[in-house]
Amino acid sequence: GNSVTQMEGPVTLSEEAFLTINCTYTATGYPSLFWYVQYPGEGLQLLLKATKADDKGSNKGFEATYRKETTSFHLEKGSVQVSDSAVYFCALSDRPGGYNKLIFGAGTRLAVHP
Amino acid sequence: SQTIHQWPATLVQPVGSPLSLECTVEGTSNPNLYWYRQAAGRGLQLLFYSVGIGQISSEVPQNLSASRPQDRQFILSSKKLLLSDSGFYLCAWSGGQGMWDGYTFGSGTRLTVV
Repeated sequence: GNSVTQMEGPVTLSEEAFLTINCTYTATGYPSLFWYVQYPGEGLQLLLKATKADDKGSNKGFEATYRKETTSFHLEKGSVQVSDSAVYFCALSDRPGGYNKLIFGAGTRLAVHP
Repeated sequence: SQTIHQWPATLVQPVGSPLSLECTVEGTSNPNLYWYRQAAGRGLQLLFYSVGIGQISSEVPQNLSASRPQDRQFILSSKKLLLSDSGFYLCAWSGGQGMWDGYTFGSGTRLTVV
C-alpha cells in the first residue's frame, strides 16, 4: 500500500542554519504531497503542498519539490529561526474506496537553538 | 471561511469512565470528517472517518466509537476508558469529492486516563 517515510529526529540546529528534512513515498498513481507542521500543544497546520511532479510548494520560507523520479518531497529552509521549532509531518493523498485520505509519515521533530 | 472547533482542549478521566469528544465544522457543507490519535512521541493514527451523516468507517479495532448525528458534527466516544486511550486526539475535515485540498485540523484534545 501507499506509505510515507521521513527521516528520524530530532533534528537540532542553530538559528540561521540550513534545514533539510527528508521525505520519500511509495504510491500507485499520482498522489498530491503535503507538509504539515505541529507547534507544541497544537493541532496540525498545512505548511505547503504540491499536486503534480516538478511542482514546488512554498510557504514561510519553506520549500519542497515533488520529485517523481526519486519519489521524494524533501522540506528545506535556508535559514531557520527559533520559532520554527516544531514537529513536521510529510503526507500523501490516497483515495481508497472513493474517499480522500492522507497518509502521514511518523513526523520529524525540529529544535532550533539561538 | 471555514472553521473547525474541537473541545475540550484537555481532559483527565479515570479508567473505566465514559468519554465524549466533540468536533464541529462551520462554513462548509457535506465535509469528510476524521478522527486521529497521536500517542506521546508518535505519529498520527487514523481512527475513524465519515463521508456523510450516519456513515462511519473504522480504521482500527479499538475501545472507541464515533458518530455523526449532523452534517458538521463528529463525536468520538467510549463507554469505558482504558489507560491506553491516553493521547492527543485530533479532528479534521476535508472537502468531499472534487474538493480535495488536504485536511484542516482542529486544535486537538489532550486526554489523560488515570
